[in-house]
Amino acid sequence: DAGITQSPRYKITETGRQVTLMCHQTWSHSYMFWYRQDLGHGLRLIYYSAAADITDKGEVPDGYVVSRSKTENFPLTLESATRSQTSVYFCASSESQGIEAFFGQGTRLTVV
Amino acid sequence: AQKITQTQPGMFVQEKEAVTLDCTYDTSDQSYGLFWYKQPSSGEMIFLIYQGSYDEQNATEGRYSLNFQKARKSANLVISASQLGDSAMYFCATPNSGNTPLVFGKGTRLSVIA
Repeated sequence: DAGITQSPRYKITETGRQVTLMCHQTWSHSYMFWYRQDLGHGLRLIYYSAAADITDKGEVPDGYVVSRSKTENFPLTLESATRSQTSVYFCASSESQGIEAFFGQGTRLTVV
Repeated sequence: AQKITQTQPGMFVQEKEAVTLDCTYDTSDQSYGLFWYKQPSSGEMIFLIYQGSYDEQNATEGRYSLNFQKARKSANLVISASQLGDSAMYFCATPNSGNTPLVFGKGTRLSVIA
């Protein structure tokens, strides 16, 4: 199916564990983004990518790592999960900057 | 300064009535875009409407329209003839500067009452 998909949809992990959230898009959009959504904060940008092998930090990058070896995939890794990283994570993509971005369904991550 | 300000944490509207959700923004750019997204209780983010800073007309998409006042730096979303399915969080967004990723406001929760 065309679109942008995230996996898993729900994840519970323990403090200190590494966890990777997956994001796949079928539109061949150049730009991909990771946001986190927390109550009272709206959506905050973690990392984004302009193309394969090009990534840049957003507003809240600490504790996260991204890679983009293929245009269609943009995984987000929490190297050592902390309780403060409990959140809903959204992946998004767009053809270019400055236009609308299309979002995946979100991943609800709980760190215990 | 906050990039996007949505001053209404929550709003109630009667079914079939119109409602305006406020959004003000801070930018020194001459060319920029303003975006509105809807997030229903199911959680997905749905793009609703876009307004370009140089667009002479206010954007409209079905029952959604933007009341764009450039001098006041406001881009309020107007929903006409509210429906129960309009109950959701609504987010205003704009690029931080130039062609950069979208920055979102904290959102307004709209509840439509039958």
